Amino acid sequence: EVQLVESGGGLVQPGGSLRLSCEASGFSFSLYWMNWVRQPPGKGLAWISRINSDGSTTQYADSVQGRFTISRDNAKNRLYLEAKSLSNDDTAVYFCVRGGMSVRSWFDPWGNGTLVTVSS
Amino acid sequence: DIQMTQSPSALSASVGDKVTITCRASQSVSMWLAWYQQKPGNAPKLLITKASTLDGGVPSRFSGSGSGTEFTLTITSLQPEDFATYYCQQYSSSSVTFGGGTKVEIE
Repeated sequence: EVQLVESGGGLVQPGGSLRLSCEASGFSFSLYWMNWVRQPPGKGLAWISRINSDGSTTQYADSVQGRFTISRDNAKNRLYLEAKSLSNDDTAVYFCVRGGMSVRSWFDPWGNGTLVTVSS
Repeated sequence: DIQMTQSPSALSASVGDKVTITCRASQSVSMWLAWYQQKPGNAPKLLITKASTLDGGVPSRFSGSGSGTEFTLTITSLQPEDFATYYCQQYSSSSVTFGGGTKVEIE
């Protein structure tokens, strides 16, 4: 069974940092683009970052460019998101999502998400 | 970035009704459009890819159509388990974007 499990969320103060992790199983992780999508409480979905299969190409939404860093460890089947200079606007559930073997692909499956709360 | 506009943002319907949700793109995304269903407290679930291809296991009462800038998701004979929020997503450009969502509520 294809599975994605996020961890690392929690309460962080404004200006602080956090590292999210996503453990993948049930598929050949090293072959796929991977994404992070977030959803503020009660609001819609927003793609924030993706990384190609070998980690050599990364892309970011304008809202997180320069503050967030996506990375992966194919030997450990893990995806990461380093988030810095956090503000209240970054409060959201963060989903780890598999893309395709090429960049132009739908997102499936999704992890259950990890909640990041930015508050003093 | 390509803007995706869904309408309506919410609708009320009864079991057995036919429901149509529209998604418009600010520029052509060809057929690179997906639809997702999300229930409260759960992750989104993929329904449709390439504008009209049903994902495996998705009931045939769901269908998608359109290309370019205008797309529709249709649910024929709405079932109790279909009450949820639906999102469109374009994956044509390097910056993926989602529509704002359509909440389908029980009338």
